Amino acid sequence: SQKIEQNSEALNIQEGKTATLTCNYTNYSPAYLQWYRQDPGRGPVFLLLIRENEKEKRKERLKVTFDTTLKQSLFHITASQPADSATYLCALGTGGSYIPTFGRGTSLIVHP
Amino acid sequence: NAGVTQTPKFQVLKTGQSMTLQCAQDMNHNSMYWYRQDPGMGLRLIYYSASEGTTDKGEVPNGYNVSRLNKREFSLRLESAAPSQTSVYFCASSAATGQTNSPLHFGNGTRLTVT
Repeated sequence: SQKIEQNSEALNIQEGKTATLTCNYTNYSPAYLQWYRQDPGRGPVFLLLIRENEKEKRKERLKVTFDTTLKQSLFHITASQPADSATYLCALGTGGSYIPTFGRGTSLIVHP
Repeated sequence: NAGVTQTPKFQVLKTGQSMTLQCAQDMNHNSMYWYRQDPGMGLRLIYYSASEGTTDKGEVPNGYNVSRLNKREFSLRLESAAPSQTSVYFCASSAATGQTNSPLHFGNGTRLTVT
């Protein structure tokens, strides 16, 4: 069956370090992958999209990679700040559907 | 520009009661969606609407009905609430169907408790 896996354990890092979050998938052939940020009590907010033919995408301190051979996306936040503390969700979409399927999210905690 | 607005923010129902969750977007988006989010389960799609006048079932549609009233509004109705429907409900919208680069814009959710 199709599965999207994000680490259920919170990632704790020190301010200034690079945070790396993982999104693994099985039995999918995604055409694109999106990353969202969700703060407590709020809805998810879109951050970045990467397509299957793209290996890397950057936006300010954020970087996303997409390896269709490993079936994995990595989400990096460089020079992390306590304000980056949130839950980060990955979402995969196939070519036949514009509706992405979401992973369960990973909580990031940046300590000052 | 408010984005996606959901009402109410909180609701407590007794088993068997009915209610409608309201959602409106002001971004002129074609597609709208209803998700529920439960601890450990992530976001699961209940229903979606690709355009005004059309609705389709998602992953977990049982116990729910929807109405796409017009391009702006998409409501979710629970006819006879059950404790299993205790959840946080999110409405979302996106620019167009068939476009893989259309991110979803979410409201801030309705927290529903069914006792």
